[in-house]
Amino acid sequence: QKEVEQDPGPLSVPEGAIVSLNCTYSNSAFQYFMWYRQYSRKGPELLMYTYSSGNKEDGRFTAQVDKSSKYISLFIRDSQPSDSATYLCAMGPYGNNRLAFGKGNQVVVIP
Amino acid sequence: KAGVTQTPRYLIKTRGQQVTLSCSPISGHRSVSWYQQTPGQGLQFLFEYFSETQRNKGNFPGRFSGRQFSNSRSEMNVSTLELGDSALYLCASRGEWGGDTQYFGPGTRLTVL
Repeated sequence: QKEVEQDPGPLSVPEGAIVSLNCTYSNSAFQYFMWYRQYSRKGPELLMYTYSSGNKEDGRFTAQVDKSSKYISLFIRDSQPSDSATYLCAMGPYGNNRLAFGKGNQVVVIP
Repeated sequence: KAGVTQTPRYLIKTRGQQVTLSCSPISGHRSVSWYQQTPGQGLQFLFEYFSETQRNKGNFPGRFSGRQFSNSRSEMNVSTLELGDSALYLCASRGEWGGDTQYFGPGTRLTVL
């Protein structure tokens, strides 16, 4: 079993819809969780970062972590065509820079 | 602050050759990590350097090596290139041990023919 599972299926949504992405993980040592956005032919760009279970909001983005279920989610409200990108979940143990990544979800927001 | 920079951005090599990639972290960041990204495997951790010392290593063969200089710039080297080494190689820098998140550079796209 991979440490991080992220269904890599592409996702197409109409502009204004809510995008919902999620990852599951198996390593209980993972303590911090991130979502990155990656545009084509670019490096990943950090979107959200959290240590604790619960919700964290930043503008149109909400990151949700449930450590008891080993499950994290990212929600994008009022999606825009500029949100079209690949979204990667990443996580690691506290104090360790070795991140484990999901395979990423390609999101297309249709105007 | 300027972001993470990587050079070159694109490289084409043939099997058996070796290659060196360079990464300059964000000013003040002392930790540099390297990742390989392929469509099949996604992002995989190669190694991490902090203050010129390798602190973590992923599950890659010894053909993959790296180093870090006193100014925190880092290089990674791949010897005896194989077709499967074709990938986007990403460098990420981090501010403090266990404190900040990792910020990625644009990557070097390596094609092995």
